[in-house]
Amino acid sequence: DSGVTQTPKHLITATGQRVTLRCSPRSGDLSVYWYQQSLDQGLQFLIQYYNGEERAKGNILERFSAQQFPDLHSELNLSSLELGDSALYFCASSVEVTPGGEQFFGPGTRLTVL
Amino acid sequence: DAKTTQPNSMESNEEEPVHLPCNHSTISGTDYIHWYRQLPSQGPEYVIHGLTSNVNNRMASLAIAEDRKSSTLILHRATLRDAAVYYCILRDGVQGGSEKLVFGKGTKLTVNP
Repeated sequence: DSGVTQTPKHLITATGQRVTLRCSPRSGDLSVYWYQQSLDQGLQFLIQYYNGEERAKGNILERFSAQQFPDLHSELNLSSLELGDSALYFCASSVEVTPGGEQFFGPGTRLTVL
Repeated sequence: DAKTTQPNSMESNEEEPVHLPCNHSTISGTDYIHWYRQLPSQGPEYVIHGLTSNVNNRMASLAIAEDRKSSTLILHRATLRDAAVYYCILRDGVQGGSEKLVFGKGTKLTVNP
């Protein structure tokens, strides 16, 4: 158990819909990262927040957005869903912004878009 | 992002050592070498990281070549639980640099009983 929790574990929805994925980082961790894992693209970095502020952006679509709240939990919002958005979405957290620091990953949310 | 090259798959027998290679010929002086693994149906898990010197922890050892263009993750006695995809990742060590992890395809390790 990494200490990072993600809800829900599974999500099934239809094209065009909007969903919210939630992540609670390890106690004390200020940085939250979101990653997407699909069969064809592998694990890809989407976005990072540090203490409530966006810090880095990766291959995140404009239909996707995220935020980190004062209690440090984070939400990833996916809208106008397409079939290709079906994937595993992982959240990770780390203590702070350190060059060699490790990231702790949650168990993921499996999103299926029908 | 500097690239790494790993074999697609490797096979080992239980209780034998496993050496997982990684080439990173374009590594910069400030890049840390990180290893993560992903067990089936789980999120990635940190294994070990290093900069220049060899490193040991309870999970594995990391041997880094003198020129830093390659490294090897060593599992001293493989168990069935070590069957996973192992990712070798370079992370920029410059303060304020990117903290994202750039995952390649990794090496799928199969451990035979």
